[in-house]
Amino acid sequence: DAKTTQPTSMDCAEGRAANLPCNHSTISGNEYVYWYRQIHSQGPQYIIHGLKNNETNEMASLIITEDRKSSTLILPHATLRDTAVYYCIVRPRLNTNAGKSTFGDGTTLTVKP
Amino acid sequence: DTGVSQNPRHKITKRGQNVTFRCDPISEHNRLYWYRQTLGQGPEFLTYFQNEAQLEKSRLLSDRFSAERPKGSFSTLEIQRTEQGDSAMYLCASSGETRDTDTQYFGPGTRLTVL
Repeated sequence: DAKTTQPTSMDCAEGRAANLPCNHSTISGNEYVYWYRQIHSQGPQYIIHGLKNNETNEMASLIITEDRKSSTLILPHATLRDTAVYYCIVRPRLNTNAGKSTFGDGTTLTVKP
Repeated sequence: DTGVSQNPRHKITKRGQNVTFRCDPISEHNRLYWYRQTLGQGPEFLTYFQNEAQLEKSRLLSDRFSAERPKGSFSTLEIQRTEQGDSAMYLCASSGETRDTDTQYFGPGTRLTVL
């Protein structure tokens, strides 16, 4: 099962783009990349996911490298409310080894005024 | 509110007591997951249901833990003879039927403190 590696912490200035990297060099062809974030004392919040193409939604953009071994979550205009722990996980396709998607310790993003 | 709900939000108990938590998934989501999260760590998978069938259990789920989803809707997680090491946030997530992805939506969690 693929594991992910993320920096422990990052800072970002308010209003600037936050780029959060994730390495998943052992990802297999049937695994998706998911990003969640968790604000203190709340449950994780789903942000975005992708397989091999770049994805964008109202919250963020996900850039996946061509070899799929790494990805970057982009928050285009970070606000103070984006301060949270961000988790990158890989998850198998449906109905296969659901329990093998592990969260790791994530990246603590601090957005500063 | 149509999100995942969990009750209670906080539970304080004495060591050796039994506790039960409830999770109500998003309506019509057929998959339900339980995770445990300790301070400073990411969530750890405990178990997973598809409808009423419990399909996977982590090694973390000792014999003091039991989870049920009797009618394929809400789920309960019971911990018997609680220990101080059981103190954690217990998270529930649900996901719906899609072709091959599994986007899980989490509830607010139940924080358990064992004294």
